[in-house]
Amino acid sequence: AQSVTQPDIHITVSEGASLELRCNYSYGATPYLFWYVQSPGQGLQLLLKYFSGDTLVQGIKGFEAEFKRSQSSFNLRKPSVHWSDAAEYFCAVGAGTGFQKLVFGTGTRLLVSP
Amino acid sequence: DVKVTQSSRYLVKRTGEKVFLECVQDMDHENMFWYRQDPGLGLRLIYFSYDVKMKEKGDIPEGYSVSREKKERFSLILESASTNQTSMYLCASSPRRVGGEQYFGPGTRLTVT
Repeated sequence: AQSVTQPDIHITVSEGASLELRCNYSYGATPYLFWYVQSPGQGLQLLLKYFSGDTLVQGIKGFEAEFKRSQSSFNLRKPSVHWSDAAEYFCAVGAGTGFQKLVFGTGTRLLVSP
Repeated sequence: DVKVTQSSRYLVKRTGEKVFLECVQDMDHENMFWYRQDPGLGLRLIYFSYDVKMKEKGDIPEGYSVSREKKERFSLILESASTNQTSMYLCASSPRRVGGEQYFGPGTRLTVT
């Protein structure tokens, strides 16, 4: 069965600094991978997704993620963090028939310091 | 834009009450989902519906049931609420296609006292 690990519970980054959030998945074939963001008190918003093709995926709000099959990873990156990026970030992998269900990681909470 | 709405943002109920959480989507999506979100546990799937009147148990269905009488509406029912069901509940919908992305509602924070 598919699973997702986000090893960092909290990360603090200075405003303007670069960001990398880690995600490792478990699945034998090419996975369907997603990153979602949840601002305080809100639902989840899709940042980006990977199905196939180019392993570097661009998303909204200046985020990108790189799929590395050899490392079973799908890390999220942003070159310069803004205070408004403070939120919780979830990595997910498609599961079930047609990969229509999602299995989520436990999330990483990003804190942005001035 | 896809819109998923949930009937309440905050709800307080007493132990033993029957609780209904409603979710409506406006994009004609076939699939709808109910998740529970708890700190340190991420999102866990309670139930999944892939068509009207069709449902499938998720990872934690115990203590919950669902109803989908119309395509746009998916209800989560707590037959007899308990304190361990205090949580954030998130509804989502997606089109029926391989790897279809899910769109989430704002969530309902349920407190059972």
